[in-house]
Amino acid sequence: QKEVEQNSGPLSVPEGAIASLNCTYSDRGSQSFFWYRQYSGKSPELIMSIYSNGDKEDGRFTAQLNKASQYVSLLIRDSQPSDSATYLCAVRGKDSNYQLIWGAGTKLIIKP
Amino acid sequence: ETGVTQSPTHLIKTRGQQVTLRCSSQSGHNTVSWYQQALGQGPQFIFQYYREEENGRGNFPPRFSGLQFPNYSSELNVNALELDDSALYLCASSFRTSEGTDTQYFGPGTRLTVL
Repeated sequence: QKEVEQNSGPLSVPEGAIASLNCTYSDRGSQSFFWYRQYSGKSPELIMSIYSNGDKEDGRFTAQLNKASQYVSLLIRDSQPSDSATYLCAVRGKDSNYQLIWGAGTKLIIKP
Repeated sequence: ETGVTQSPTHLIKTRGQQVTLRCSSQSGHNTVSWYQQALGQGPQFIFQYYREEENGRGNFPPRFSGLQFPNYSSELNVNALELDDSALYLCASSFRTSEGTDTQYFGPGTRLTVL
């Protein structure tokens, strides 16, 4: 059973600080990794995709991938109250026929 | 805005009834995936359609079925509704490249309540 694990939280971070969200996956052959943000009652919104080991930066967001350790993380710099949401990690394996495997999400709360 | 639309936004049905949910893909996309999301859970993959053919299915019974049309819009049909089918149903649109990558963009979802 291929799995994606996330700490459910809530993770509470002061406004202006760095929020760090982590995700581990079981399928060593996974090749595509995605972070989505989901506000309560809304649909997931793509934040970033990452395919290669290392860091990928987009504005205040940085995704980090370590395939050897089978984890992917998302850093949010200068956290804002509007970043308060559930962050979902999704992974596609090499032989998954394009199916995404999803974590249950981490609830992030940014305290003003 | 992702350009992916879903209808209806909310729906209330009773146990045993049938329901059809609709999704319009983002322009230029050739793939549609459907997900079920229960409260507090991540999305669960139902199935995916690529160029009008089912191209992968999750652990859902046959009473969950779908279609993709030539314009790449899609329908999800659920027969013999059960109380546990109450959830947010998400449609995700993507363009599958020749390299096999695709990034999924979600519609707003349909909230289904089964009484």
